[in-house]
Amino acid sequence: QSVLTQPPSVSAAPGQKVTISCSGSSSNIGNNYVSWYQQLPGTAPKLLIYENNKRPSGIPDRFSGSKSGTSATLGITGLQTGDEADYYCGTWDRSLSALVFGGGTKLTVL
Amino acid sequence: VQLVESGGGLVQPGGSLRLSCAASGFTFSSYAMSWVRQAPGKGLEWVSAISGGGDSTSYADSVKGRFTISRDKSKNTLYLQMNSLRAEDTAVYYCAKASARIVATATFDYWGQGTLVTVSS
Repeated sequence: QSVLTQPPSVSAAPGQKVTISCSGSSSNIGNNYVSWYQQLPGTAPKLLIYENNKRPSGIPDRFSGSKSGTSATLGITGLQTGDEADYYCGTWDRSLSALVFGGGTKLTVL
Repeated sequence: VQLVESGGGLVQPGGSLRLSCAASGFTFSSYAMSWVRQAPGKGLEWVSAISGGGDSTSYADSVKGRFTISRDKSKNTLYLQMNSLRAEDTAVYYCAKASARIVATATFDYWGQGTLVTVSS
C-alpha cells in the first residue's frame, strides 16, 4: 500500500486530455513539492514535472502539474500514442523522513 | 550527465552485494544521490539517499539496518552495500541524481539505466 494514492490506470483517445491524481497527506504533499515521472516500457523513469508545476527543459508544455492541499494532479493534453507509459508522483514525507512514490498509473492511449 | 550502475547479479538469501554508480558530467559533490528500486512488474520504491557532502543519509524502513549508502568524491561514484538480502529485495536498482544538495527532495533529474539484483536460492 503506497503512501501516495494514484489511480491504477487511465485511458483516453489520441488528441484528448487526461489527468492523473495523486493523493497524500499533510506530512507529504501538503508540505512538500511534488514531482512527476514518466516511465516508458523497459526504460528508466524520466522527470516530467518538479516543484509541483515546473517542467524541465525539453518537456513539452502538453504536460502540466498542479497541487492543491494534499493532492496533486498531472495533466496531459494532445495525447499521443508515444505517451503510453506508467506515471508516478513522488514527494518527501516529513513524518517518515523518507521519499514516497505513488503506486503508479498506467496510461493507455486508445 | 551520465550515471552507470554496476554490481547487480544473482545472490542467495542472506548474502551480500555492493552496487556502484559511476557518475560523470556534473559536479558530483554538489548534489544528493539516491537509489530507487523496482521489483518485477511493480512500481517505484525509494531505497536510500545521501547528501552532496555525504554527511547525511536516509533509508526506507524496508532496508534500514541492512543497506548502507555511501559516496566517494575522488571516484565520482555512489555505492549501495546490501547485506542480509531477502527475496523481496529482488528488483532493478536505479541510481538517480537529485537536483539539490539535500536528501529531502523528490526531484531526480537524471537516472541510470538500472542494474538487476536477484535474490534466490
